[in-house]
Amino acid sequence: SQTIHQWPATLVQPVGSPLSLECTVEGTSNPNLYWYRQAAGRGLQLLFYSVGIGQISSEVPQNLSASRPQDRQFILSSKKLLLSDSGFYLCAWSVRGRGLNTEAFFGQGTRLTVV
Amino acid sequence: GENVGLHLPTLSVQEGDNSIINCAYSNSASDYFIWYKQESGKGPQFIIDIRSNMDKRQGQRVTVLLNKTVKHLSLQIAATQPGDSAVYFCAETYNNNAGNMLTFGGGTRLMVKP
Repeated sequence: SQTIHQWPATLVQPVGSPLSLECTVEGTSNPNLYWYRQAAGRGLQLLFYSVGIGQISSEVPQNLSASRPQDRQFILSSKKLLLSDSGFYLCAWSVRGRGLNTEAFFGQGTRLTVV
Repeated sequence: GENVGLHLPTLSVQEGDNSIINCAYSNSASDYFIWYKQESGKGPQFIIDIRSNMDKRQGQRVTVLLNKTVKHLSLQIAATQPGDSAVYFCAETYNNNAGNMLTFGGGTRLMVKP
């Protein structure tokens, strides 16, 4: 069966510090991968998605970047965090391939507080 | 989604009543739709899905209705229970060259009063 791991679960970082959140998927290959951010009491904002190794698409301009060094590894980074980067970050994956409509599977999220 | 920066709308229902959560989607090419439930501090969980060749699908206590003419999706929860309190998101997908891509709606917070 497929599983998605996201860590850490919570993180408190000072303004200006770097960030690295990691997400890995097991039990599938060549997935679509996503990073979402959710501010408190708000909806899901798609930040990045990836359809393959080294292929990253950004949905909104921001202080963050993403990388996909391996097929099932997706990393969210920042060189210098801002207060506005605080939020709940969710990694997700879905099956890739034409004609395959399936749901996305989410990790448990990372709550980031920038102080 | 365009509403992600707004506070979530809230639907408050009495325990035992039926709940109806609505969602308007944007892409007429979308051919697969999903409802997710997100409890506090957790990632969204799949509830029910529907393909564009259907207009209704029923689960155990949930029903999803799809109206492609007006691009509207609804989730009906029968006999709402306190455990149904959560944020509910609709999502639409369509196949581009890379396969299915998900777009989420803004979400609705459901509060169940005992």
